[in-house]
Amino acid sequence: DAKTTQPPSMDCAEGRAANLPCNHSTISGNEYVYWYRQIHSQGPQYIIHGLKNNETNEMASLIITEDRKSSTLILPHATLRDTAVYYCIVRGWDSNYQLIWGAGTKLIIKP
Amino acid sequence: DAGVTQSPTHLIKTRGQHVTLRCSPISGHKSVSWYQQVLGQGPQFIFQYYEKEERGRGNFPDRFSARQFPNYSSELNVNALLLGDSALYLCASSRNIQSYEQYFGPGTRLTVT
Repeated sequence: DAKTTQPPSMDCAEGRAANLPCNHSTISGNEYVYWYRQIHSQGPQYIIHGLKNNETNEMASLIITEDRKSSTLILPHATLRDTAVYYCIVRGWDSNYQLIWGAGTKLIIKP
Repeated sequence: DAGVTQSPTHLIKTRGQHVTLRCSPISGHKSVSWYQQVLGQGPQFIFQYYEKEERGRGNFPDRFSARQFPNYSSELNVNALLLGDSALYLCASSRNIQSYEQYFGPGTRLTVT
């Protein structure tokens, strides 16, 4: 079973920041938080990952709470092309490297 | 550089038949993973291969098998197809088994009738 909980859908106005929440209350100390997205009819695309510090790259920012039980993915200036399903995943560095995916959040960017 | 490629893009099979799906990873990537994605759900892990050895297996029946070749390409085989095997099959490659990023191909859409 997925170790994360996400809202099934969200809307955001074009040009505004999209904030996607994720709960991972059972995360353990060696598990990272990953975000991927899947645009319709395409394979998933890696966005960002983090352990406990906030992270930023050219696509997004990842804010992880101090207790690591939740995180927020921020798309700073959402465009219509950001409409996709966003998946929050936790994964540890053990012998099983698989990603366990939930149902994700369907983000719809509106003009 | 080319991304992850998968073939065929679409496939229609009949119950009981066998299917082989193919994946070519990004050049320099040694790990390939296979996922099944049913409509409306997130991908489900099937297999991971690294350096031609199976390194992980998800909760799928023995009808599902895979292998990785010396050039790091991979095949996923499914025997005795069931209607429930209809799904998008995704292949992902990564530089090594501990890589942070997995790069996904466009998938093969399998329909079993």
